[in-house]
Amino acid sequence: QQQVKQSPQSLIVQKGGISIINCAYENTAFDYFPWYQQFPGKGPALLIAIRPDVSEKKEGRFTISFNKSAKQFSLHIMDSQPGDSATYFCAALHSGTYKYIFGTGTRLKVLA
Amino acid sequence: KAGVTQTPRYLIKTRGQQVTLSCSPISGHRSVSWYQQTPGQGLQFLFEYFSETQRNKGNFPGRFSGRQFSNSRSEMNVSTLELGDSALYLCASSLVAGSDTQYFGPGTRLTVL
Repeated sequence: QQQVKQSPQSLIVQKGGISIINCAYENTAFDYFPWYQQFPGKGPALLIAIRPDVSEKKEGRFTISFNKSAKQFSLHIMDSQPGDSATYFCAALHSGTYKYIFGTGTRLKVLA
Repeated sequence: KAGVTQTPRYLIKTRGQQVTLSCSPISGHRSVSWYQQTPGQGLQFLFEYFSETQRNKGNFPGRFSGRQFSNSRSEMNVSTLELGDSALYLCASSLVAGSDTQYFGPGTRLTVL
């Protein structure tokens, strides 16, 4: 119940294309869903986050889509650029526990 | 404002030894969380501290312990190191925790030989 399942494990996209990464969870007590971006040699950095009372959130080229009934959420990267090549992690938090559960990560490569 | 700093950045130890890792949060942040990152498992939550109190811990053996000092700096200790403890150990700080933005440090790369 504490798991967050992330797919795909790796993704190759052409420059200008759309990158889509999916996550699914079981615990309905989760109330905060962030996405993190990690470059080699660096710690993860918060990219965008959503709460379950919203179905979509957009920040620049990054959009989270959230489906509460299906217990799924996804990250869409529009107009993908080579600089977006990184590992992306979804996460889920039950605020009262102070404990983030992370997906296993998606390694994205955007071809120039 | 300085980011989260972790020391040392790299560490090589042998099985059976113990190790202490340090994390200095962003100034004013009172919550510090620790994670273990490995290629196959992703980020696994170790524990979270706020005002010197551990508020939650993950499913790790008792060899993994931590503490937080009154200035919010935190340390984690791993005793009786095993080969499987080789990983990147990440520290993250936030103002209070919950859904406050977590800011990660660059991590400490621990290799156990």
